[in-house]
Amino acid sequence: DGGITQSPKYLFRKEGQNVTLSCEQNLNHDAMYWYRQDPGQGLRLIYYSQIVNDFQKGDIAEGYSVSREKKESFPLTVTSAQKNPTAFYLCASSMGREHQPQHFGDGTRLSIL
Amino acid sequence: GNSVTQMEGPVTLSEEAFLTINCTYTATGYPSLFWYVQYPGEGLQLLLKATKADDKGSNKGFEATYRKETTSFHLEKGSVQVSDSAVYFCALSDPGANSKLTFGKGITLSVRP
Repeated sequence: DGGITQSPKYLFRKEGQNVTLSCEQNLNHDAMYWYRQDPGQGLRLIYYSQIVNDFQKGDIAEGYSVSREKKESFPLTVTSAQKNPTAFYLCASSMGREHQPQHFGDGTRLSIL
Repeated sequence: GNSVTQMEGPVTLSEEAFLTINCTYTATGYPSLFWYVQYPGEGLQLLLKATKADDKGSNKGFEATYRKETTSFHLEKGSVQVSDSAVYFCALSDPGANSKLTFGKGITLSVRP
């Protein structure tokens, strides 16, 4: 079955640590996205990538970094500069063309110890 | 810029009641419109979509019609079930925005037996 796999499902971070969230897709999609979801605030875009080796900042990129070395993979690093990282993180992908929906993974819940 | 406004929630209904969830949008071009559903602890699933004015998207008994004149895409279902309890997000994709989506804040629906 084609889909998007996010891992781990739950992640804990100590103060001052960087952590990396994994996102892999086998849908052959060109575009990939990272969102942050907080209660009552909907989804906010962190970073997105339209093609391999290229990515752009979203609305709340500060304290986060990404890479896109392979079409299938778009890992997100939450750095120690992100002062309030506790949230639910969602990865999505799409064909990258107009009118096409995004498909989502099941998310990673990050908490601070 | 683009924006999506959803009615305030949460919404609580009895099983077999009629459901309407309002969604209005502001966009610079001619967007595609989507409804997504999120069950507890999961990612978002595409529920239905419409790509041009007067299109009706439908799936699993849910319907929404793209109304350009009122810039609306209200979600309806004639008879809700307990299993419909979830968070519902309205979203738009502006063709000029490289397939990025703009989401509403979401609304929580609870259906009582």
